[in-house]
Amino acid sequence: TQLLEQSPQFLSIQEGENLTVYCNSSSVFSSLQWYRQEPGEGPVLLVTVVTGGEVKKLKRLTFQFGDARKDSSLHITAAQPGDTGLYLCFTGTGNQFYFGTGTSLTVIP
Amino acid sequence: EAGVTQSPTHLIKTRGQQVTLRCSPISGHTSVYWYQQALGLGLQFLLWYDEGEERNRGNFPPRFSGRQFPNYSSELNVNALELEDSALYLCASSLWGVNTGELFFGEGSRLTVL
Repeated sequence: TQLLEQSPQFLSIQEGENLTVYCNSSSVFSSLQWYRQEPGEGPVLLVTVVTGGEVKKLKRLTFQFGDARKDSSLHITAAQPGDTGLYLCFTGTGNQFYFGTGTSLTVIP
Repeated sequence: EAGVTQSPTHLIKTRGQQVTLRCSPISGHTSVYWYQQALGLGLQFLLWYDEGEERNRGNFPPRFSGRQFPNYSSELNVNALELEDSALYLCASSLWGVNTGELFFGEGSRLTVL
């Protein structure tokens, strides 16, 4: 079983549409990170959320940490082809590190 | 400032062979992490080294091993290769413990086992 379950696993949308990606767990986390991995590259950090209920915005991307710190969401407004990639949530607890199952996003021009 | 570098970028091996992958962290980073990424999806944690010591390993068989050198570079060794070992192997480094810091990834070593 995966500690961090992401949904959906695959998403293909038209340019300009909105979308939301979810990262869920039954465990409580002190912090959670979102990474984006583009084809042929390693993942790159987008944001770190640490407080329950926290909302962070990065241009057209809005990240939310659940009140109970067990889940998080990533909302993209007016998706662009440049948003195409694999989105991964991540958490580290002590000496345990977990990536989510991943959401592969394709934005069609 | 140079990022995390990995070598080789691509390699092809046959079943039963052994492979060594190399990683150089960002200057000043003492922690190195290895991940396996199969089928272009989620990353599976392999190993964590910090200050030359293995701090933790993921749920992989003992034929996956590694080490960290005094200059903080690291090697990942995989013995008795199996077909399912075909994957992208990613190395990451961080300045502090991952709980407070960012992971910086290399571009990976793509291993194909025939």
